[in-house]
Amino acid sequence: QQQVKQSPQSLIVQKGGIPIINCAYENTAFDYFPWYQQFPGKGPALLIAIRPDVSEKKEGRFTISFNKSAKQFSLHIMDSQPGDSATYFCAAENSGGSNYKLTFGKGTLLTVNP
Amino acid sequence: NAGVMQNPRHLVRRRGQEARLRCSPMKGHSHVYWYRQLPEEGLKFMVYLQKENIIDESGMPKERFSAEFPKEGPSILRIQQVVRGDSAAYFCASSQDKNYGYTFGSGTRLTVV
Repeated sequence: QQQVKQSPQSLIVQKGGIPIINCAYENTAFDYFPWYQQFPGKGPALLIAIRPDVSEKKEGRFTISFNKSAKQFSLHIMDSQPGDSATYFCAAENSGGSNYKLTFGKGTLLTVNP
Repeated sequence: NAGVMQNPRHLVRRRGQEARLRCSPMKGHSHVYWYRQLPEEGLKFMVYLQKENIIDESGMPKERFSAEFPKEGPSILRIQQVVRGDSAAYFCASSQDKNYGYTFGSGTRLTVV
């Protein structure tokens, strides 16, 4: 059972575009939703995270939108740059349960063309 | 701070051999987590350890896989009698406390031939 579904699998945008990556979850006990960025040959690095008490969080060019009733959240990258080309993973965690165990989506390979 | 160090970066093993993957957590971190990333899949939790203790191994396959985090030295993920299906990237992460976010290492890419 895949608890966090991520789409699209891959995404190509032009420099300056706004790629949007979507995730949906099933477990209503999840209460922490981070996004990770992974470059080839590297480990995932925490990019931005949100808790369900807010509907949006922005850090620099990265914004998370969160819809608790729909159990969906998405990552928007404003003014995307070629250096943003990477694989992006959404994840979810139940901090009231085993709050160290992240459940990851399958990832989105983003390519930003110059 | 060197970050989470994993070695080797790449490991090739023949079917039936043993694979040992090492992870040195960040300085001051005593909590270690192992995740496995199969091709075109997200990371999947395997095990959570503190010094000399396995806290949660619910994601570990029941056979051939084991993990330890001794009082001295790195955490070790051991895979005995490897099979082709074990080919994956294995990532270690560490944190100073389970309530804090953790930092991933660069991973070990295991290839079973």
